[in-house]
Amino acid sequence: KAGVTQTPRYLIKTRGQQVTLSCSPISGHRSVSWYQQTPGQGLQFLFEYFSETQRNKGNFPGRFSGRQFSNSRSEMNVSTLELGDSALYLCASSLTGTSGPQETQYFGPGTRLLVL
Amino acid sequence: AQSVTQLGSHVSVSEGALVLLRCNYSSSVPPYLFWYVQYPNQGLQLLLKYTSAATLVKGINGFEAEFKKSETSFHLTKPSAHMSDAAEYFCAVSRSGTYKYIFGTGTRLKVLA
Repeated sequence: KAGVTQTPRYLIKTRGQQVTLSCSPISGHRSVSWYQQTPGQGLQFLFEYFSETQRNKGNFPGRFSGRQFSNSRSEMNVSTLELGDSALYLCASSLTGTSGPQETQYFGPGTRLLVL
Repeated sequence: AQSVTQLGSHVSVSEGALVLLRCNYSSSVPPYLFWYVQYPNQGLQLLLKYTSAATLVKGINGFEAEFKKSETSFHLTKPSAHMSDAAEYFCAVSRSGTYKYIFGTGTRLKVLA
């Protein structure tokens, strides 16, 4: 079974631009979560989608948004980029997203975004 | 509210020595606990998880962790470190029925030859 894939792997943008990142979950997984990883803040939860609906959102400004498609693929968008948005963005998928004995989040390799 | 504390942002051990990475959690109800490993320029890989079936959990690559409710701890151990274990390790917690995982700040393990 193929793992979680994220595209692109690396991205360089300038301040003020917007960016869209893509995540394809493991086949059969319906929940997709996004995390931002930075050296200073560690791993921070952005949001989680299930069946095209956002169920949970972290403490990030409205510039960060996402969506999920009917095939469970998800995109994350950041508008009006700031220098502080430079980070590794990780996507994780799981069967239902609801924590339980059979649930595990599987992570993709991440997209490294550099904002200049 | 849930939280996770990882003691020691950097840990160094000699090759062949015991690896001990500490994780304490704060949760009002029994949690699910996870250890993930991250190698440079890669995503997170699940090492092991505690789901209340057994307090001693064995994972991949020879790692194991013991859930101690009285100490609210879930420390990760490996009897003998290998150079390939050098990576960053994250402890995470979630509660049954929730969608959100809370991660610790990570411990970077260095293995000395």
